[in-house]
This record gives sequence, structure tokens and C-alpha cells, in this order.
Amino acid sequence: RKEVEQDPGPFNVPEGATVAFNCTYSNSASQSFFWYRQDCRKEPKLLMSVYSSGNEDGRFTAQLNRASQYISLLIRDSKLSDSATYLCVVKYGGATNKLIFGTGTLLAVQP
Amino acid sequence: DGGITQSPKYLFRKEGQNVTLSCEQNLNHDAMYWYRQDPGQGLRLIYYSQIVNDFQKGDIAEGYSVSREKKESFPLTVTSAQKNPTAFYLCATTPTGGYTDTQYFGPGTRLTVL
Repeated sequence: RKEVEQDPGPFNVPEGATVAFNCTYSNSASQSFFWYRQDCRKEPKLLMSVYSSGNEDGRFTAQLNRASQYISLLIRDSKLSDSATYLCVVKYGGATNKLIFGTGTLLAVQP
Repeated sequence: DGGITQSPKYLFRKEGQNVTLSCEQNLNHDAMYWYRQDPGQGLRLIYYSQIVNDFQKGDIAEGYSVSREKKESFPLTVTSAQKNPTAFYLCATTPTGGYTDTQYFGPGTRLTVL
């Protein structure tokens, strides 16, 4: 089983739609959680950190469920510019502070 | 203008050659990382360094080497021992090695073996 699992997609949605991505992680010792956005052939960029209480940034909402070991990302009112790959990232504490990356979910917003 | 630079953007290598990928940062960050990204796979950690003159192997260090002689620089050498080096290589930094730290990525180098 992969340490971090995501549905690769693609998710094809019309402009204005609401879309949700889920991500599951296997290590219950995971301490920090992030969503990164990666445009085609570019580097990943932090979209948002994910906090236990859930957090919102404009049209984006992230949720963490430690009991079920999954995190989610909700995008409301999708824009064409939201088209990208969304990477779920989990960080373990300890000596290495290691990041584990999911393979990403591809979102294509259609006009 | 603060940031992370990687060079070259594209690199072509013949089989059997060693190549060195550059990563420079002026963010004054302590920790630096090298990842590779392959289609259909998540980023995988090659090497990381939390302070100058110290570095640790990541998950896939075989066939790679690094140095950290200066805080600003963390070059990666892809040796001929790396059997499948064609990939997108990403350098990243964090202010410290702390677990809450966000990782900031450079623009990447695409390496192709001919």
C-alpha cells in the first residue's frame, strides 16, 4: 500500500463547478499535511496547509480526518486557472522531517 | 529578488557520463533537498542537508552524490551508476528542518539521457 494515495483523475469539470479531492495516508504518526499545486512541467507550489480544525482560503477548503487518516480539498466555483495537478503531501516528524508526496490528482476545468 | 534557482533548465546526457545539476538559494534557508519526479509517481527524496557540511541519503540515493560546502548551494551529481536518470529534478528548501516548515521548490531541471 502506498504511504499517500490519491485518485490520479483526471477530473474534468465545467467552470463554476465544485470539485473535491480526497487523499489517504497510511502512517498514523503523520504530523503535518499540505496541498500543493503543480502546473504542467513546473515546480510544485504550496496551496495550503491542512489543520485539524479544517481551514479555508477563499474558494479552497481543506479538511483533515485523523481517525480515518484522510485529508480533502474542496474547490468551489472552479476557474479555468484552477486546472493543474494537486499534490497531497504528508510530513512525518522525528529526525528526518520527511515529506511524502502523493502522485497527484489532475484537474481540468472546461469552459 | 529572493528565491531558488536551478540550472540548467534542460540537460541532455549521454550514457556513461556524470552530470551536475545546480541549486542555489538566497533565502538564507538552512535545509535543502533534492527530489526526482517521474510520470505517475510522487516526488521521491534523493538527498537532503540540514546544515552546511552535512547531508543525508533519502529514499533513492543510489547513483547520486551531493555536497554542501556553502549554505547557498547544494549541487547534485548524477553519476553513470544511476541506471534510469531521465526525470524531472527538483531542489527545495525550508527555513530550518522543522516539521511545520513549508518546502519551497526551485523551477526544476529536466534531465534526458540519450
